[in-house]
Amino acid sequence: AQSVTQLDSQVPVFEEAPVELRCNYSSSVSVYLFWYVQYPNQGLQLLLKYLSGSTLVKGINGFEAEFNKSQTSFHLRKPSVHISDTAEYFCAVSEGSGGSNYKLTFGKGTLLTVNP
Amino acid sequence: DTAVSQTPKYLVTQMGNDKSIKCEQNLGHDTMYWYKQDSKKFLKIMFSYNNKELIINETVPNRFSPKSPDKAHLNLHINSLELGDSAVYFCASSPGREAYGYTFGSGTRLTVV
Repeated sequence: AQSVTQLDSQVPVFEEAPVELRCNYSSSVSVYLFWYVQYPNQGLQLLLKYLSGSTLVKGINGFEAEFNKSQTSFHLRKPSVHISDTAEYFCAVSEGSGGSNYKLTFGKGTLLTVNP
Repeated sequence: DTAVSQTPKYLVTQMGNDKSIKCEQNLGHDTMYWYKQDSKKFLKIMFSYNNKELIINETVPNRFSPKSPDKAHLNLHINSLELGDSAVYFCASSPGREAYGYTFGSGTRLTVV
């Protein structure tokens, strides 16, 4: 079974500061990794995903994440945040290619609040 | 054009009632899902259908029954609603069984009073 731990439930930062949202996963098989963003009262939007290949993944809105297999981590980063980045961020994992159970397992979310 | 659409967006109902939430996708995807987001924002899969075949059925009360008349539609029927069923329910679809092509709907906020 796979699981995801988002280490911070809330991350407050000031506008234009860098931010890192932490995510660790647990799985006995190869995985796909994802970050989703949820703005207030909206659905989930895919920020970026790691399927294979380069461990540094770039996504939308200037976000990037790095897959670290030895540390089983997939932390999300942005060098300079904007007020509009205020949202809930979810890390998710699924079994990778060759697996048999492709459901997405989500972390509990990190609320990023960007203050002026 | 909305890719994954759910109706209704909001649903307020009394305990004991039976209600349905509908989901439709126009992406040509083969797999559809229902997820539940509780009051603490935790998202958990409930069901998944691939080409009308049930492939994921998590530990969900029997009061919840999914129905997929065709691969573009996945409805969720809930019998004898309870207060604890209050949540946001998200429908999603993906091209195949693998999870890397998910598209989510905007959610249905169910409130049981």
